[in-house]
Amino acid sequence: GAVVSQHPSWVICKSGTSVKIECRSLDFQATTMFWYRQFPKQSLMLMATSNEGSKATYEQGVEKDKFLINHASLTLSTLTVTSAHPEDSSFYICSASTSTGELFFGEGSRLTVL
Amino acid sequence: QKEVEQDPGPLSVPEGAIVSLNCTYSNSAFQYFMWYRQYSRKGPELLMYTYSSGNKEDGRFTAQVDKSSKYISLFIRDSQPSDSATYLCAMCTNAGNMLTFGGGTRLMVKP
Repeated sequence: GAVVSQHPSWVICKSGTSVKIECRSLDFQATTMFWYRQFPKQSLMLMATSNEGSKATYEQGVEKDKFLINHASLTLSTLTVTSAHPEDSSFYICSASTSTGELFFGEGSRLTVL
Repeated sequence: QKEVEQDPGPLSVPEGAIVSLNCTYSNSAFQYFMWYRQYSRKGPELLMYTYSSGNKEDGRFTAQVDKSSKYISLFIRDSQPSDSATYLCAMCTNAGNMLTFGGGTRLMVKP
């Protein structure tokens, strides 16, 4: 199947710093990518839909200025957690949709804010 | 009521058993149905992708969709300990649209 790469897989940072997570579709072009957040033993929570060349669409309750999303090319979307706090510690997962509608996920990025 | 309902489990079965995982949904507009497997601390992996009603088979996995009953199933034959994971159902109205997920069922296959 298609491959979606996410980097870094694990990041630890101090409170107040910003962290960038990259999501790449390695063997297909993805006009749409999605960013999810997942708490332990819970299902995925959609944060935002990222469209190449336009502003991301955020779900209700997700702070746009806190979670900056950039979809600069058809193969790359980035999520930047700005001024991270311990409550932002979570598992962040991206996904990308192929032209036939199949959705593939990245491996996820574990963020720990001290 | 959630749009997609899925029993959280855990579901514990002996190795070699046939596993049945199910989801019910309320939105009759859903046309695309997916099953994902998620190991602990990993991103979900797409197992099966089906359109509309019917069955689809891939190795030990069979996906069934019954749109009249708004019910989908994933069957795992000859289950293995390596199948132990959380299984998520997901669905959407059109290809490429936002997915609606079930809450996931945790499966444990004991050797």
